[in-house]
Amino acid sequence: EVLLVESGGGLVQPGGSLTLSCAASGFTVSDSYVSWVRQAPGKGLEWVSVVYSSGTTYYADSVKGRITISRETSKNTVYLQMNSLRDEDTALYYCASSSPGLRLGAFDIWGQGTMVSVSS
Amino acid sequence: QSVLTQPPSVSGAPGQRVTISCTGTSSNIGAGYDVHWYLQLPGTAPTLLIHGHSNRPSGVPDRFSGSKSGTAASLAITGLQAEDEADYYCQSYDISLGGWVFGGGTKVSVL
Repeated sequence: EVLLVESGGGLVQPGGSLTLSCAASGFTVSDSYVSWVRQAPGKGLEWVSVVYSSGTTYYADSVKGRITISRETSKNTVYLQMNSLRDEDTALYYCASSSPGLRLGAFDIWGQGTMVSVSS
Repeated sequence: QSVLTQPPSVSGAPGQRVTISCTGTSSNIGAGYDVHWYLQLPGTAPTLLIHGHSNRPSGVPDRFSGSKSGTAASLAITGLQAEDEADYYCQSYDISLGGWVFGGGTKVSVL
């Protein structure tokens, strides 16, 4: 079974740091691309970052310079290192990926999400 | 303000047909980038409904269909059912932003 499981969310003060993990099973993260997508409470979806099979990474302008995506092949896990957190980073963070045969960017594999709350 | 514009809500009676529009620009949909559609039930992760404008992943009922014209795309739901009540999001790639973008979401209500 193909599965993504996020962890690492929690309550952090403004300016603080947090690292989210996305553990994959049923497929190899280094053979595909994995994105992080967030959803603020009561709001819509916002794409955050992606790491491709090549290792190339991209970020949304709203997080560029503050967030780093990486992967650890031996653990089949993708990470999201978040620094200088702001109130507006409060959201449920999903990791998502795509099965072979789907068009680029179509995410059919989603985790359950991990909640990040930024508040003093 | 989302890069892709969707109506906040649409509604219809059971059995009716509803459509959800997704309006973009020449930097995303108009540039030829794929449009994908998702359904999200409360408290759950999004589910892929349509990829590449009009392709249905296996398991998605043929009541759902997608199309694209110019700088806009649309999702149609025919034979509306109570279980279709959910939030729907469109997604595309934006070359000027260098990443994927989502519409603001449309809440579908079954009357």
